Amino acid sequence: DSGVTQTPKHLITATGQRVTLRCSPRSGDLSVYWYQQSLDQGLQFLIQYYNGEERAKGNILERFSAQQFPDLHSELNLSSLELGDSALYFCASSVGVAAYEQYFGPGTRLTVT
Amino acid sequence: TQLLEQSPQFLSIQEGENLTVYCNSSSVFSSLQWYRQEPGEGPVLLVTVVTGGEVKKLKRLTFQFGDARKDSSLHITAAQPGDTGLYLCALPLTGSGGSNYKLTFGKGTLLTVNP
Repeated sequence: DSGVTQTPKHLITATGQRVTLRCSPRSGDLSVYWYQQSLDQGLQFLIQYYNGEERAKGNILERFSAQQFPDLHSELNLSSLELGDSALYFCASSVGVAAYEQYFGPGTRLTVT
Repeated sequence: TQLLEQSPQFLSIQEGENLTVYCNSSSVFSSLQWYRQEPGEGPVLLVTVVTGGEVKKLKRLTFQFGDARKDSSLHITAAQPGDTGLYLCALPLTGSGGSNYKLTFGKGTLLTVNP
């Protein structure tokens, strides 16, 4: 158990819909990272937040957004969902903004039908 | 273009066999990480290698960083069914913010160890 929690574990929704994925980092960690894992693209970095502020962006679509709240939990919002958005979404956390030892949560499996 | 190429993509072996998986890049990198991901779980960090030529051991797992810091290998001795999983190599990279470390992953080697 990494100490990072993610909810829900599974999510099934239809094209065009909007969903919110939630992540709680390890106790004491200030950075939260979001990753997407699909069979064709592998595990890809989406975005990082540190202590409530966006710090780094990867290949995140404009239809996707994230935020980190004062209690340090984070949410990833996915809108106008397409079939190709079906994937595993992982959250990871680390102590500092530049720490590269990241601890991953168990993931949310999103299926868009 | 994939920054990190992992091979083989799939590997199925019998319990007790030895195996090596590889992670290669055309670029020089300052450090590299290896992760293992079990089905239904997130990746778990196994090791970080930093120095060219470095060798690190973790029980039956031996990690090597190439002298030129462009490649790495993971060798498993006497594989067990519990070693089954997706082995990923990853580069910590400076993000757009300057000092941030986002991870860039290879696509992984899916290892199955049969009893």
